[in-house]
Amino acid sequence: GAGVSQSPSNKVTEKGKDVELRCDPISGHTALYWYRQSLGQGLEFLIYFQGNSAPDKSGLPSDRFSAERTGGSVSTLTIQRTQQEDSAVYLCASSPILRKFNTEAFFGQGTRLTVV
Amino acid sequence: DQQVKQNSPSLSVQEGRISILNCDYTNSMFDYFLWYKKYPAEGPTFLISISSIKDKNEDGRFTVFLNKSAKHLSLHIVPSQPGDSAVYFCAASHNFGNEKLTFGTGTRLTIIP
Repeated sequence: GAGVSQSPSNKVTEKGKDVELRCDPISGHTALYWYRQSLGQGLEFLIYFQGNSAPDKSGLPSDRFSAERTGGSVSTLTIQRTQQEDSAVYLCASSPILRKFNTEAFFGQGTRLTVV
Repeated sequence: DQQVKQNSPSLSVQEGRISILNCDYTNSMFDYFLWYKKYPAEGPTFLISISSIKDKNEDGRFTVFLNKSAKHLSLHIVPSQPGDSAVYFCAASHNFGNEKLTFGTGTRLTIIP
């Protein structure tokens, strides 16, 4: 596809279960971001992958959250032992090879996670 | 520590008038700024950007102004149209965009027909 694809679009899970959220970035994009948006809140940065560099994990809220990016393409965000406060829309974005004055990031439609 | 702030959570503007959305930042290292627009149930989409070497960038009905000394930027939409109703996010980066984007909390713009 032409855009960033996220799956599933909706996920309802029981508290305490693990979930995996998938992001397929635009082909060739070297940068990949995960953000989340809780109800009524702004976009909260979670993690940032850039090429072969070590990811910037400074936004991950706890050690229950982890993400990987395999082969510089698909990324998976894993939340272990989910809690109700993890309920949010999880957004993935990618951007092309970085060049000055052009870091437009393209977002997927997000995964709405509901922890019950 | 919110480095990018959008202090107005919502704004209502009459159709045809000018909409002005404001954004303040605290990190003086930021040198590249973007505005994104988000409709419900969709991901944000890029609207317009500006680098710190400029103080104005215009694209059709959308103009972004940057005041570096005040650490303030604004997005002007003129004339406002019903389709402009959305949540607008301001974002910032440094190293001229070679670092991750930091987003504000968003402003919900409603255009009144």
